[in-house]
Amino acid sequence: DGGITQSPKYLFRKEGQNVTLSCEQNLNHDAMYWYRQDPGQGLRLIYYSQIVNDFQKGDIAEGYSVSREKKESFPLTVTSAQKNPTAFYLCASSQSGGGEVGGYTFGSGTRLTVV
Amino acid sequence: QQQVKQSPQSLIVQKGGISIINCAYENTAFDYFPWYQQFPGKGPALLIAIRPDVSEKKEGRFTISFNKSAKQFSLHIMDSQPGDSATYFCAASYQGAQKLVFGQGTRLTINP
Repeated sequence: DGGITQSPKYLFRKEGQNVTLSCEQNLNHDAMYWYRQDPGQGLRLIYYSQIVNDFQKGDIAEGYSVSREKKESFPLTVTSAQKNPTAFYLCASSQSGGGEVGGYTFGSGTRLTVV
Repeated sequence: QQQVKQSPQSLIVQKGGISIINCAYENTAFDYFPWYQQFPGKGPALLIAIRPDVSEKKEGRFTISFNKSAKQFSLHIMDSQPGDSATYFCAASYQGAQKLVFGQGTRLTINP
C-alpha cells in the first residue's frame, strides 16, 4: 500500500541534543512538507521541498534543518537551537504543491518530548 | 493576503444536529478549497474539496458551500455523529502554488 511512514512514533530528547525524525513516502510524490502541531493548535509549516536537493523555509524554520537527497525521503532534524521542541510533528507529501491533485497525504506523526 | 481565517475555534453539537464551520480568505487567486479531518494522534486526511466554479459540493453528510463574492466557504456536517468528533481544517491554494494555506482548525465535539 502506498503511503507515508513517519518514525519513530514517540521520541524523547534531552536538553542540548539534536534528534532526527524520519519521513519516507512511496507515493512517487514530488513535494514533501513538515508541520508542527502544538496541543489544540493548528498546523505550522516548518520546511517544504518541491524537488530533490531543493527545499524552502516555512513559517517556523528556526531551530530545524532538513535534507532531500532522495525523492522518497525528507528527514527533519530538530537542533538544540530549537528552544521549545515538544510538539507533534507531521510529514506530508503531495503530487502537486497546492494539493489540488489528490490532496496532501499525511503521515501518522511523531510526538517529540523534551525530558 | 495569504491567510485563511477559520471559525469557530471549537464547536459542540448534539448528535443529529448540523455542524457548521466557516472560513474566509483574501487572495482572489485561490481556486482550490479543501477540508481536512484529523482524529487525535493521527495525521489530517482529505475530506472534501471544492473549486470556485460551483457554489456547493456534497459528499454524503458533508457539504461545502462556497460564496465567491464574499470570499467565504463553509463545511456543513448534516446529522452529526459522535464519530465526527475531530479537528477540521480548511485550506486554500491555486494552480502552481507550492503549498496549501491552512486555517487555524476547529475542534468539533458531537455529544451523544
